[in-house]
Amino acid sequence: GENVEQHPSTLSVQEGDSAVIKCTYSDSASNYFPWYKQELGKRPQLIIDIRSNVGEKKDQRIAVTLNKTAKHFSLHITETQPEDSAVYFCAASQNAGTASKLTFGTGTRLQVTL
Amino acid sequence: DAGITQSPRYKITETGRQVTLMCHQTWSHSYMFWYRQDLGHGLRLIYYSAAADITDKGEVPDGYVVSRSKTENFPLTLESATRSQTSVYFCASSPSGDRSYEQYFGPGTRLTVT
Repeated sequence: GENVEQHPSTLSVQEGDSAVIKCTYSDSASNYFPWYKQELGKRPQLIIDIRSNVGEKKDQRIAVTLNKTAKHFSLHITETQPEDSAVYFCAASQNAGTASKLTFGTGTRLQVTL
Repeated sequence: DAGITQSPRYKITETGRQVTLMCHQTWSHSYMFWYRQDLGHGLRLIYYSAAADITDKGEVPDGYVVSRSKTENFPLTLESATRSQTSVYFCASSPSGDRSYEQYFGPGTRLTVT
């Protein structure tokens, strides 16, 4: 089955700096790569996703890049703010017209310091 | 976010007891999922369902039973709870069609098995 590795496990940045979280996946058939943000005690929330036919996607201060050849994808957060502090999870899945079974990474705890 | 709810939010039970966690969604989503979240493991898929009366195993199904008699409900039962099943359980749902990739999570149930 799919295996997703995520690095780093913790990341501390100063407010205004950029943060990058990286994930690798093992199954070349995976074609969907979402990122979830989970604040302390809350549910995971989808913040951005990318499909295998796209190399990069941006949404305001966040962006995701995908390298299918190397089987890795990354989350980029620019101009970080204190409210960006949370745990971020990457995931990968195949969706062949049925339920999209997500395999998650182990999470990155991002702390944005003032 | 109010479209998917879980109950109870917190549960303490004893080893060997049966416990059922409830999940209800009002979006008429076709797909529903159960995950458990443990430190160091991220989120792992327990069971999923593509429609009423259609369920299938995920990555860690042992010790769990699911049913889906109605589209909106997807209960998860621990037939004989063990301490290793102490975890936070998240239910999720996704629509069918082009957006079946996108999973939306419930608020979670924190289960402690003593």
